[in-house]
Amino acid sequence: DAKTTQPPSMDCAEGRAANLPCNHSTISGNEYVYWYRQIHSQGPQYIIHGLKNNETNEMASLIITEDRKSSTLILPHATLRDTAVYYCIVRTRAAGNKLTFGGGTRVLVKP
Amino acid sequence: DAGVIQSPRHEVTEMGQEVTLRCKPISGHNSLFWYRQTMMRGLELLIYFNNNVPIDDSGMPEDRFSAKMPNASFSTLKIQPSEPRDSAVYFCASSITSGGRNEQFFGPGTRLTVL
Repeated sequence: DAKTTQPPSMDCAEGRAANLPCNHSTISGNEYVYWYRQIHSQGPQYIIHGLKNNETNEMASLIITEDRKSSTLILPHATLRDTAVYYCIVRTRAAGNKLTFGGGTRVLVKP
Repeated sequence: DAGVIQSPRHEVTEMGQEVTLRCKPISGHNSLFWYRQTMMRGLELLIYFNNNVPIDDSGMPEDRFSAKMPNASFSTLKIQPSEPRDSAVYFCASSITSGGRNEQFFGPGTRLTVL
């Protein structure tokens, strides 16, 4: 699976949009971009995934660049409960659902 | 659905003792994963099963670790003998292999402390 690069940490103001970048310059054509988050002391939680089109669900939006070498997770209105470590993961469907977690981005939402 | 169930939630044991962690996946899921999380190494996949069969155990640290899945609703991760460096949070996750989003659902974890 392709390697991802994320900033180690970022702060965000409550009520504002949080934009979390991820670089995956070695992504191959059959690899999907997945985002998970881990709130303190809990197991990771799925947020969203995409292949090449932008995606939106009730939690977030995922913007993937046209060359697919990077993506941005957008939390449209961050709340204090969004404080967590966010993981960007790239994998193929053929990987048997295997997830390889990197260091992630530690997001702190401040009042 | 109760989600993925893990037991115990906390385990404190002494070096050399056997430790057994248990997991009940979500009903109907056919893939099960064991992860370990430490401050130093982050989240690491130890082993995963598809349809109760171990597929990839390359993440299992050494022979002291073993995992079984006797049926679709139960799995164990055993450490024998345990060592202080095994102290970590162990997560179990399950998913269903399909054409959908292949989301993994994680349990609450077992915090293991080996003294």
